[in-house]
Amino acid sequence: GAVVSQHPSWVICKSGTSVKIECRSLDFQATTMFWYRQFPKQSLMLMATSNEGSKATYEQGVEKDKFLINHASLTLSTLTVTSAHPEDSSFYICSARSEVAGFNEQFFGPGTRLTVL
Amino acid sequence: DAKTTQPTSMDCAEGRAANLPCNHSTISGNEYVYWYRQIHSQGPQYIIHGLKNNETNEMASLIITEDRKSSTLILPHATLRDTAVYYCIVRVANTGNQFYFGTGTSLTVIP
Repeated sequence: GAVVSQHPSWVICKSGTSVKIECRSLDFQATTMFWYRQFPKQSLMLMATSNEGSKATYEQGVEKDKFLINHASLTLSTLTVTSAHPEDSSFYICSARSEVAGFNEQFFGPGTRLTVL
Repeated sequence: DAKTTQPTSMDCAEGRAANLPCNHSTISGNEYVYWYRQIHSQGPQYIIHGLKNNETNEMASLIITEDRKSSTLILPHATLRDTAVYYCIVRVANTGNQFYFGTGTSLTVIP
């Protein structure tokens, strides 16, 4: 089946630093990837849609200059949290859209736990 | 995409069937019903989806009412590993569009 990985699985950083999270589709090509954020005891909130080779589309209220998304290849999208602050501490999840074998659906990564001190 | 309504939480005895309801009264004709679950601190896992006919796979069964305004996810023999938050989402299938998650149902399977 389609597998999506994320790296790192967890990260702790100091306030003011930048953190990069990778999302990879391991056995399929993904023209579109999505980034979600989940705070404790809350549901997943879509942050942005990332299309290979073009600029990401951000949901309302998500700062594009703070959450930099790069989708440079069909198997990799990165989310960089710039100048992270404690309020950015969250569970970040990506999903990748698969268009193989006539099945056009999304598969989710395992998530990355970010803690900003 | 249509909005869904689910109970906040449910309990189920281990080995019994877990029936998770979902209301989607504003569903459009071309929207499917999807079910995902999220075990604590993991990414969402696809369970099943359907349009109007009942569906069954190795994980669960999906029962959709004739008017499509509600559905029920059935886990036939719940185990402790089925404890998770279950999300019911309706959207147009095969578009690869983003999912908008509701609050889901927190299912606790009790030994």
